Amino acid sequence: ETAVFQTPNYHVTQVGNEVSFNCKQTLGHDTMYWYKQDSKKLLKIMFSYNNKQLIVNETVPRRFSPQSSDKAHLNLRIKSVEPEDSAVYLCASSFQANSDYTFGSGTRLLVI
Amino acid sequence: GEKVEQHESTLSVREGDSAVINCTYTDTASSYFPWYKQEAGKSLHFVIDIRSNVDRKQSQRLIVLLDKKAKRFSLHITATQPEDSAIYFCAASPNSAGNKLTFGIGTRVLVRP
Repeated sequence: ETAVFQTPNYHVTQVGNEVSFNCKQTLGHDTMYWYKQDSKKLLKIMFSYNNKQLIVNETVPRRFSPQSSDKAHLNLRIKSVEPEDSAVYLCASSFQANSDYTFGSGTRLLVI
Repeated sequence: GEKVEQHESTLSVREGDSAVINCTYTDTASSYFPWYKQEAGKSLHFVIDIRSNVDRKQSQRLIVLLDKKAKRFSLHITATQPEDSAIYFCAASPNSAGNKLTFGIGTRVLVRP
């Protein structure tokens, strides 16, 4: 099966903890992304990686960092979570040249 | 940077009627305009796109129109069915190295029987 796989599906944690979300794509795409979807369904890009190079890095807080071992994997680490980090984090992949994205099923984070 | 405005936050249509969602963008360099559908409790999936070299594209019951002068594009869902009920997101991307899709806020479409 070719798709974008995210783990975990859900994560509940306390303020100040560190969390890490995994994303793997088996589509042979060369670019991967992390988007944050808030409670109002608003989608904001956080990072994208192309051939292990960061090519888009929006003004996200420094406690967020992407981690990539190869073009099929792009993980997201949050060093010290805050309540406003509660959201759904969506991983996606595509071919670079303006083609459609394939999204993973998302990781829902709740910070208490 | 690019800003994509999605004009309808919610849309309620009777089954069989058409639903139209309108989006505008700000960056004249944008050349790629995809649409995504998000059903309840699920992730987004791609439904249709249009590139700036054409002004109309159809895929089954979906039609996308692009007006580059007005920086406006729209999704027409014809002969709506209950399974069309979802949130639809428009997006725009510039024709430059590296992808960067900017999404609209989403339109919740409800198809009434």
